[in-house]
Amino acid sequence: GQSLEQPSEVTAVEGAIVQINCTYQTSGFYGLSWYQQHDGGAPTFLSYNALDGLEETGRFSSFLSRSDSYGYLLLQELQMKDSASYFCAALRGNQLIWGAGTKLIIKP
Amino acid sequence: DSGVTQTPKHLITATGQRVTLRCSPRSGDLSVYWYQQSLDQGLQFLIQYYNGEERAKGNILERFSAQQFPDLHSELNLSSLELGDSALYFCASSASPVYEQFFGPGTRLTVL
Repeated sequence: GQSLEQPSEVTAVEGAIVQINCTYQTSGFYGLSWYQQHDGGAPTFLSYNALDGLEETGRFSSFLSRSDSYGYLLLQELQMKDSASYFCAALRGNQLIWGAGTKLIIKP
Repeated sequence: DSGVTQTPKHLITATGQRVTLRCSPRSGDLSVYWYQQSLDQGLQFLIQYYNGEERAKGNILERFSAQQFPDLHSELNLSSLELGDSALYFCASSASPVYEQFFGPGTRLTVL
């Protein structure tokens, strides 16, 4: 089958670093995307990893290990505005297979 | 603003009714995707169109149908509505990189 697993909820403190993990089981896997969704808002694209390794975009970084079928999103210097749900999505052919999302709760 | 528009923003209707949701993709994007998101749930992929043709189907009920028109806008038709169909319906569009989809603001459907 095809599935992605990510924690349902993660809690962190403002200013800290948090890692959101995503494991996948998907045949024909091309790469892993990450999206952010604020409550009541639309998902917005954050990053995409096609190759193993770390991709950095400002405070956010995303990592992929194809051999471990695993990826993560790393958020640094957390700000209250980072409170949102984060989705990983695997690219399979011309379709994204979505995880259930991780709700990130940030405490002051 | 993603450049993807959806109408209406809110829709309240009764069980058994039929509704049509409309989506205009970003200028130049040929692919349109429809998603359903129930309260505090993840995104459920429904269907994808590419340049007017159905490209992929997800967990779309037989009561639901969609199409993409020559001007590339798309419509999602939901019929014989049930209470469980109440959800946020998102439309997204993309160009060549399928992994980067641009989402519209969504249509919140409430079935009473």
